[in-house]
Amino acid sequence: EVQLVESGGGLIQPGGSLRLSCAASGFTVSNFYINWVRQAPGRGLEWVSVILGDGTTYYADSVKGRFTISLDSSKSTLHLQMDGLRAEDTAVYYCARESDAFDFWGQGTMVTVSS
Amino acid sequence: QAGLTQPPSVSAGLRQTATLTCTGNSNNAGNQGAAWLQQHRGHPPKLLSYRSNNRPSGISERFSASRSGNTASLTISGLQPEDEADYYCSAWDNSLSAWVFGGGTKLTVL
Repeated sequence: EVQLVESGGGLIQPGGSLRLSCAASGFTVSNFYINWVRQAPGRGLEWVSVILGDGTTYYADSVKGRFTISLDSSKSTLHLQMDGLRAEDTAVYYCARESDAFDFWGQGTMVTVSS
Repeated sequence: QAGLTQPPSVSAGLRQTATLTCTGNSNNAGNQGAAWLQQHRGHPPKLLSYRSNNRPSGISERFSASRSGNTASLTISGLQPEDEADYYCSAWDNSLSAWVFGGGTKLTVL
């Protein structure tokens, strides 16, 4: 059974850093692209970043230069290092497996950026 | 980043048919089509279709997707109360090298 479990969210002050993790099971992570997608309270879905099997990464303009995605294949765990956090980064962060589309999603972890 | 365009809300009667639309351009929805996701409040999204009209295992045949030019559509037939949810379209944008989403459509079943 495919499972994605996010962790690491919480309350952080503006300008601070946070590292999210996504533990994957039920499939071989190196065979798929894994994404981060976020959803601000009461808002729609916003794509954040993706890492490909060869290590290539892509980022949304809104997080480029502040967020870093990485994959530990040995632990089947995806990470999102978030630096320079802003109030507008407040959202539920989901990890999602990509196979032509986002076919499996985690339950999400809440990140709140506030002083 | 430019996204896909969806109407904010659509409503239709119980057991009737609703059609949701998603408009992009030749770099995203008009290229490889769009995927459709359903999201109930407080839950993560669920994939309904991908590459215009492929349904994942377990998705009801009541959900049917199509594409015409740069516009993708999701048709839901025989509407049920549990179909009331937010629906999002998504597509990879070759020009932006990014995934783009529509703003979402809230479907109300009357």
